[in-house]
Amino acid sequence: TQLLEQSPQFLSIQEGENLTVYCNSSSVFSSLQWYRQEPGEGPVLLVTVVTGGEVKKLKRLTFQFGDARKDSSLHITAAQPGDTGLYLCAGVRGGGNKLTFGTGTQLKVEL
Amino acid sequence: GAGVSQSPSNKVTEKGKDVELRCDPISGHTALYWYRQSLGQGLEFLIYFQGNSAPDKSGLPSDRFSAERTGGSVSTLTIQRTQQEDSAVYLCASSSFGISGTEAFFGQGTRLTVV
Repeated sequence: TQLLEQSPQFLSIQEGENLTVYCNSSSVFSSLQWYRQEPGEGPVLLVTVVTGGEVKKLKRLTFQFGDARKDSSLHITAAQPGDTGLYLCAGVRGGGNKLTFGTGTQLKVEL
Repeated sequence: GAGVSQSPSNKVTEKGKDVELRCDPISGHTALYWYRQSLGQGLEFLIYFQGNSAPDKSGLPSDRFSAERTGGSVSTLTIQRTQQEDSAVYLCASSSFGISGTEAFFGQGTRLTVV
């Protein structure tokens, strides 16, 4: 059983569409992060959220941390081919240090 | 260097041989992780080092896999008697800790091919 489950696992959309990726757990996290990985590279941090209910925006990307700090979502508006990649959520459980990664969402944005 | 460095970047080995993969983390980072990634898939956790604490080895898939971290810095992941199913990209990450959370910095990985 994965600690952080992401959905959907795969997503293929057309340029200009909107999409949401979900990251869910039954555990509480003191912080949660989203990473993007492009082919041939390691994942790179996009954002960190630490407060329940927190919303952060990064251009066309909106990140939300659930009120109970057990889940998060990533919403992309007007997707572009450059958004293509593997999106990973990751969290640190309350009282711990270890960063745990989610199962990943492979996004492909086509022209 | 400024980032996490992994070597070699590519490794082709014959089935049954042993391999060593190296990770140089960012200086001062107390945490170091090893992950395995198959093509188009997510990250499979292997092992986690944190300071002088005993490593979390819960992700190692078999006793053919082992890892060391010497002097709290460089880490080596060793795979003995390699099998074809060991073929994957092995990623290393390091991190420090701060009030706003823990950012993991990744190397570019070692692509291992067992033939």
